[in-house]
Amino acid sequence: QKEVEQNSGPLSVPEGAIASLNCTYSDRGSQSFFWYRQYSGKSPELIMSIYSNGDKEDGRFTAQLNKASQYVSLLIRDSQPSDSATYLCASQMDSSYKLIFGSGTRLLVRP
Amino acid sequence: GAGVSQTPSNKVTEKGKYVELRCDPISGHTALYWYRQSLGQGPEFLIYFQGTGAADDSGLPNDRFFAVRPEGSVSTLKIQRTERGDSAVYLCASSFLGNTEAFFGQGTRLTVV
Repeated sequence: QKEVEQNSGPLSVPEGAIASLNCTYSDRGSQSFFWYRQYSGKSPELIMSIYSNGDKEDGRFTAQLNKASQYVSLLIRDSQPSDSATYLCASQMDSSYKLIFGSGTRLLVRP
Repeated sequence: GAGVSQTPSNKVTEKGKYVELRCDPISGHTALYWYRQSLGQGPEFLIYFQGTGAADDSGLPNDRFFAVRPEGSVSTLKIQRTERGDSAVYLCASSFLGNTEAFFGQGTRLTVV
């Protein structure tokens, strides 16, 4: 079992819809979580971080964390074609600062 | 600099050759990470530096891989006797401290032929 699991997709949504991306993790020692966006041929770009249970909003993005259920999600409101990319979920433990990445979910936003 | 800088952007080398990949982190960032990414996969952890020392090198696949950060800023990833399986994008990231947000460079695409 991979430490961080994501559905590879593609997740296809129409422009203006809410895109919901999910991630589960196996290590209960994970404390910090990050969402990165990666366009094809480019490097990962940090879009959200979340450290405590609940929701964290930043513009059109909302990250949600549930440590009891060991899942993290990212909601993208009013999706735009420019949001089409692969979204990587990463976890980090306080005891080891390495980021553990999932394989990513490919999001396609249809005009 | 404004962001993490990696050189070269692309490197093609012959099997068995030695290569060095360079990473210049964001100014003031004490933590530096090396990852590699294969097509369709997430980044795979290689090594983490806090200052000059390698705090965690558990991701280095074998002893052909080595990394240094002698002055606590620029880091070099060194790969000896390259193999075709080493072909990947090598990513460097930095952060202020080990447990805060990390920012990636543009990567070095290594192709071993």
